[in-house]
Amino acid sequence: DTGVSQDPRHKITKRGQNVTFRCDPISEHNRLYWYRQTLGQGPEFLTYFQNEAQLEKSRLLSDRFSAERPKGSFSTLEIQRTEQGDSAMYLCASSLELTSGAYNEQFFGPGTRLTVL
Amino acid sequence: TQLLEQSPQFLSIQEGENLTVYCNSSSVFSSLQWYRQEPGEGPVLLVTVVTGGEVKKLKRLTFQFGDARKDSSLHITAAQPGDTGLYLCAGRSGNQFYFGTGTSLTVIP
Repeated sequence: DTGVSQDPRHKITKRGQNVTFRCDPISEHNRLYWYRQTLGQGPEFLTYFQNEAQLEKSRLLSDRFSAERPKGSFSTLEIQRTEQGDSAMYLCASSLELTSGAYNEQFFGPGTRLTVL
Repeated sequence: TQLLEQSPQFLSIQEGENLTVYCNSSSVFSSLQWYRQEPGEGPVLLVTVVTGGEVKKLKRLTFQFGDARKDSSLHITAAQPGDTGLYLCAGRSGNQFYFGTGTSLTVIP
């Protein structure tokens, strides 16, 4: 399967603990996005990478959140000192951004469901 | 902040009926995508529309992008139970995609 993969699929943690999620994008895709989705809502943008560079971050991304994409391939999203309000589905998507300016299409992974007790 | 409003929010219909889902915004988007999402899974891309007034058909699904590229609609003909899911529209502005709140569709056999 050459789609976007995420690990783990589910994570249950206690408030105050740190958690880290991993996303493996489609191999030739140069852009990677992180989103958060709560029940009954559409995904909300958190941040995105162009290759290894983190180019934009949402105001939703507090200082407890950090994302990396060290070699321009897989990415990690870490949440420190988790709070109950962090409980959500964390989605990763990747796309191939062409320099010609042609529109790109995002392809999503299955998500990581985080529950903070 | 959600820039895209979807309606209706919930829809429950009988198998064989037709339906239309709307995605509206006051913002202009360079492209608009429609996704279907099933519980516990990530959204799956159905279509991307780019040009104002563009119409795309995918079997029983018809997608239209408004002339001003601010709104879109999804029409399903003869709905089937397999169409059940959360339908999301997402508009691209700059390098970000803004998602609607979704339309939860249930097709009853």
